[in-house]
Amino acid sequence: NAGVTQTPKFQVLKTGQSMTLQCAQDMNHEYMSWYRQDPGMGLRLIHYSVGAGITDQGEVPNGYNVSRSTTEDFPLRLLSAAPSQTSVYFCASSFTATGAVDSPLHFGNGTRLTVT
Amino acid sequence: RKEVEQDPGPFNVPEGATVAFNCTYSNSASQSFFWYRQDCRKEPKLLMSVYSSGNEDGRFTAQLNRASQYISLLIRDSKLSDSATYLCVVNPWKENRDDKIIFGKGTRLHILP
Repeated sequence: NAGVTQTPKFQVLKTGQSMTLQCAQDMNHEYMSWYRQDPGMGLRLIHYSVGAGITDQGEVPNGYNVSRSTTEDFPLRLLSAAPSQTSVYFCASSFTATGAVDSPLHFGNGTRLTVT
Repeated sequence: RKEVEQDPGPFNVPEGATVAFNCTYSNSASQSFFWYRQDCRKEPKLLMSVYSSGNEDGRFTAQLNRASQYISLLIRDSKLSDSATYLCVVNPWKENRDDKIIFGKGTRLHILP
């Protein structure tokens, strides 16, 4: 019963490097999203997707790209890492894009990224 | 008014006491509501959904007040293990698939021995 799987758990990058954070879910969820969490800032939405082939920007999309070629996968790409992108990143998914009491978000374990 | 607003706390509460906190939301079209619990920058985990008629799960009671646009969480007989940050989540979706799930910034709760 995997749920939402994020890799890697930890990553250290140098400024200017690129990388991809992986997110996969095996629950056939329509909705997937990426958040970053910084101390005192709460969860901030980076990008989200309401279904395969559809993505949209959240609150803080600059410096990040996403794609949703399959229902299961929603990778987050850092194009050119900057120290301001040091954060904890969470991927989350939910079953339906139409909103329901029984369709809460399920989170991955998080990726702790440090950019030096 | 912010989309979803919570008192950041911290709420320092002695073990065994009852504590309650609210979360206000600005979008009257919001459809579903949840309380999540987050420990020490681990991933948020669903505590309970909030139903229109209110609902209870053991020591936890959640209520929705649509007229005043807030939800509440009541914790009775608090335990040390209840110490965490509690996040309010509002889902505006009904017909607009492009609307986003909104998180509050969380309320920190410390249960004191």
